[in-house]
Amino acid sequence: AQSVTQLGSHVSVSEGALVLLRCNYSSSVPPYLFWYVQYPNQGLQLLLKYTTGATLVKGINGFEAEFKKSETSFHLTKPSAHMSDAAEYFCAVSPGGFKTIFGAGTRLFVKA
Amino acid sequence: EPEVTQTPSHQVTQMGQEVILRCVPISNHLYFYWYRQILGQKVEFLVSFYNNEISEKSEIFDDQFSVERPDGSNFTLKIRSTKLEDSAMYFCASRDRDNNQPQHFGDGTRLSIL
Repeated sequence: AQSVTQLGSHVSVSEGALVLLRCNYSSSVPPYLFWYVQYPNQGLQLLLKYTTGATLVKGINGFEAEFKKSETSFHLTKPSAHMSDAAEYFCAVSPGGFKTIFGAGTRLFVKA
Repeated sequence: EPEVTQTPSHQVTQMGQEVILRCVPISNHLYFYWYRQILGQKVEFLVSFYNNEISEKSEIFDDQFSVERPDGSNFTLKIRSTKLEDSAMYFCASRDRDNNQPQHFGDGTRLSIL
């Protein structure tokens, strides 16, 4: 069975600090991996995706993630947090490209 | 950039009433999905739809739910007799033919059952 685990339901960082949101997955087939961001009362916006090829993927708003097969991880990072990054972040896996399975989400707080 | 659009943005309905949530997927997409997010919880898969039929559904998608693509542009989710626990945000998504492409999500419909 496929699943996604996000470590930490809440993460708080200071403005300008490194953002690290952790995600581990399990999948019986080569996974397609995604990070989505959700701002309050809005829909899901794709930040970045990994399907094949380069394991370090860059997304919008300065975010990037690295696919590590040996660790079954796909952690999301951003070198310097901005106040506008405060939102809920969802890691997701799409085994074979069909339905998307979401993690429970991590709410990112950014302190001034 | 083309978007998935959902209407209405907020629907308030009395328990036991039927409700239809509407979605217009991206025009050249072939796969369509509905997801649900109960307040404060994770996004859950409900159903996927391809070639005018359901390709997969979750255990949440019971006989009270149905989906339809009544014309070439709309994709609807019907809940026949709503319950309090159906209150949630419902997201529509669509994807093109390539399996390695992400699903594009609409902004959701907030369904409130009274």
